[in-house]
Amino acid sequence: NAGVTQTPKFRILKIGQSMTLQCTQDMNHNYMYWYRQDPGMGLKLIYYSVGAGITDKGEVPNGYNVSRSTTEDFPLRLELAAPSQTSVYFCASLSLGFTKQYFGPGTRLTVT
Amino acid sequence: QKEVEQDPGPLSVPEGAIVSLNCTYSNSAFQYFMWYRQYSRKGPELLMYTYSSGNKEDGRFTAQVDKSSKYISLFIRDSQPSDSATYLCAMSQKGNDMRFGAGTRLTVKP
Repeated sequence: NAGVTQTPKFRILKIGQSMTLQCTQDMNHNYMYWYRQDPGMGLKLIYYSVGAGITDKGEVPNGYNVSRSTTEDFPLRLELAAPSQTSVYFCASLSLGFTKQYFGPGTRLTVT
Repeated sequence: QKEVEQDPGPLSVPEGAIVSLNCTYSNSAFQYFMWYRQYSRKGPELLMYTYSSGNKEDGRFTAQVDKSSKYISLFIRDSQPSDSATYLCAMSQKGNDMRFGAGTRLTVKP
């Protein structure tokens, strides 16, 4: 199993540009999450999904969108990038029963 | 008051020391308690997962939960330089709605 994979690893965006962060898991987990991590801060939940076709907002959803058309994929879309979105983004998946949790390696995004 | 409070450190200990990492929380509805280890420039990895109060041991790691005091701890025995990382606590009401602390950076010196 590859676990949770994320692409790209790094990206620099100009203000106002858009991009999609990709996340894929091969463990057939129903639950998937997108977090952002700012320096010295914990993880803040952006969006989550409890299964294909079902998504919901987390703590900090403004400026982001998600979709979940398959169990495996959970892309995060940034529209009109702003400097406040400079962060490290982590995708995670969670098994039923919640005892198996896996994070991807992260995407480092800089908006200038 | 933040839902989850965690001393950011940094914490530096000599190899072989017992390390104590702690978090407090304000939401009495939390029932699931987790500890993660995050190496520099990597994603977090789940270390310990406990439900309700009590202790859980896994090798050199022991997690303690005191719901009456809203306080959780992670103890690392015989600490090793490879334990140097940031440790994140997290809590959840339903098991799938985690709220994270800010993380404590730990350095174990040889």
